[in-house]
Amino acid sequence: DTGVSQDPRHKITKRGQNVTFRCDPISEHNRLYWYRQTLGQGPEFLTYFQNEAQLEKSRLLSDRFSAERPKGSFSTLEIQRTEQGDSAMYLCATRTGVRGSTDTQYFGPGTRLTVL
Amino acid sequence: QKEVEQNSGPLSVPEGAIASLNCTYSDRGSQSFFWYRQYSGKSPELIMSIYSNGDKEDGRFTAQLNKASQYVSLLIRDSQPSDSATYLCAVNVDAGGTSYGKLTFGQGTILTVHP
Repeated sequence: DTGVSQDPRHKITKRGQNVTFRCDPISEHNRLYWYRQTLGQGPEFLTYFQNEAQLEKSRLLSDRFSAERPKGSFSTLEIQRTEQGDSAMYLCATRTGVRGSTDTQYFGPGTRLTVL
Repeated sequence: QKEVEQNSGPLSVPEGAIASLNCTYSDRGSQSFFWYRQYSGKSPELIMSIYSNGDKEDGRFTAQLNKASQYVSLLIRDSQPSDSATYLCAVNVDAGGTSYGKLTFGQGTILTVHP
């Protein structure tokens, strides 16, 4: 257990529905990343937060995707009008931003999304 | 060319043997390199990080980095069946602090250690 938690762990939804995932980082970690991993592939970067500011978004993040980190603590990732191609493992990773510290990212357990 | 490529698997080794996993990357600005282990259905777990050319050892694991050749490898000595997993190579470019430390992953190599 890395100390990063994600909820829910599994989500099954029907095409066209909206889903929201939550990530709670390690408390002193101000940097938070979302990744998506499909079967047989490595994780792909989606978006990055430093405190509450969303500083980078991948072109993978279509306009159906939105992410927030309102108070610089937990983060949410919402997918609107889900499509079957959204089926994947959604991973949250966090790291400290303390100057001179390691840039190691610690992953949460992930949320596995299945879109029927 | 993919940004991070790993040797195609799956890789199968007998128990007690050395497993060798390889990774190449395309961006010369890459500064930090990581190996993650991922069991089926689980999230990636950090095994090793390496930042400087040369070898870094931690128990049965040795990471090797050659920035001139843009190559990073992971050796697992005395392989155990519990080492059977997918191994992910990840690279942090972060050149000039503009990429915010996001990781670019290879596609992973599946390792099976058979008794």
